[in-house]
Amino acid sequence: DSGVTQTPKHLITATGQRVTLRCSPRSGDLSVYWYQQSLDQGLQFLIQYYNGEERAKGNILERFSAQQFPDLHSELNLSSLELGDSALYFCASSPPWMSSYNEQFFGPGTRLTVL
Amino acid sequence: DQQVKQNSPSLSVQEGRISILNCDYTNSMFDYFLWYKKYPAEGPTFLISISSIKDKNEDGRFTVFLNKSAKHLSLHIVPSQPGDSAVYFCAASGTTAGGTSYGKLTFGQGTILTVHP
Repeated sequence: DSGVTQTPKHLITATGQRVTLRCSPRSGDLSVYWYQQSLDQGLQFLIQYYNGEERAKGNILERFSAQQFPDLHSELNLSSLELGDSALYFCASSPPWMSSYNEQFFGPGTRLTVL
Repeated sequence: DQQVKQNSPSLSVQEGRISILNCDYTNSMFDYFLWYKKYPAEGPTFLISISSIKDKNEDGRFTVFLNKSAKHLSLHIVPSQPGDSAVYFCAASGTTAGGTSYGKLTFGQGTILTVHP
């Protein structure tokens, strides 16, 4: 158990809908990262938050948005869903010092299926 | 543009033998490298890491080697055990061209390791 929690574990929805994925980082971690893993793909970085502020953006679609709340939990909002958005979505957190030399600890993921 | 590549989709080894997983990268701004292990239906689990100022790091049965001039790293597992069977991801981070990344990880596609009893 990494200490990172994600809900829900599974989500099935229809095209055009909107969903929210939730992540709680490990106690004490200030950074939250979101990654997407599509079928046969490696993990693709979407976005990073640090203590409530957006820090880095990857290949995140405009239909996707995220935020980090004062209690440090984060939500990833996916709207106007398409079949290709079906994937595993992972959240990770890392220790509070600002450095690229840190391990990221991953949650169990949310499996999104768009029908 | 795939900046981190794991060219072997799968690897099969006998229990007790050495497993060698390889990873190549193209971005010379990467300065920290990690290996993650992933079981089905679980998130990736951190295994071992190495910074660019080193060429080797050991942790128990796991050793990571870094060859900066070749932009290549490898993970050695000795001896391999059936419980090591999983998908192994190589990842890299560092300051990228055009701005800071603050720890964003770039992952390879993964290598499925199967260790036979």
